[in-house]
Amino acid sequence: DAKTTQPNSMESNEEEPVHLPCNHSTISGTDYIHWYRQLPSQGPEYVIHGLTSNVNNRMASLAIAEDRKSSTLILHRATLRDAAVYYCILRVRRGFGNEKLTFGTGTRLTIIP
Amino acid sequence: DVKVTQSSRYLVKRTGEKVFLECVQDMDHENMFWYRQDPGLGLRLIYFSYDVKMKEKGDIPEGYSVSREKKERFSLILESASTNQTSMYLCASSSLRTGEDYGYTFGSGTRLTVV
Repeated sequence: DAKTTQPNSMESNEEEPVHLPCNHSTISGTDYIHWYRQLPSQGPEYVIHGLTSNVNNRMASLAIAEDRKSSTLILHRATLRDAAVYYCILRVRRGFGNEKLTFGTGTRLTIIP
Repeated sequence: DVKVTQSSRYLVKRTGEKVFLECVQDMDHENMFWYRQDPGLGLRLIYFSYDVKMKEKGDIPEGYSVSREKKERFSLILESASTNQTSMYLCASSSLRTGEDYGYTFGSGTRLTVV
């Protein structure tokens, strides 16, 4: 299974940018990089995804290395509501209907007021 | 707002009982998934389904079965509940249609306690 590696925890000050790193050295050409976050007592929430190019949406930006073996989720201005566990995941598709997301233990992000 | 709805937020069952966890999605998604989440272990995939009446084993299917009779509903069944199945159970759905990769949508979870 394609795996990702993330730091167990990170801290950031409120209103500052946060860069959450992820390594995925075994990524295959058709695997999408997905990021989810999980707030306390809730299910994971989709944040952003990409394949090769950098991506931006209203929640965050995703920077993907040229060799695709690593990526960085960027929260441009962290708020207290961004405190969560962030998961970097490869969406692996091996033919129609044969896909899975394999979650690791993620990065617990703490925002310091 | 699109939704994945899990029938119960909290559930307490006795050892040996047959337990049904229900999940319904209103997004016409083809894929549906059941995960369990335990401290220190993250989310682990139990079963998934990419079509009605189709099912595939995930990473930890032992002790579980699933049913998908309608596209919108995916049920997880614990045939004979045991204490080691005490966990948070999360249902998710996703689209297979090209150009509609918006990721997975998760329900809020069912916290099951087996006593």
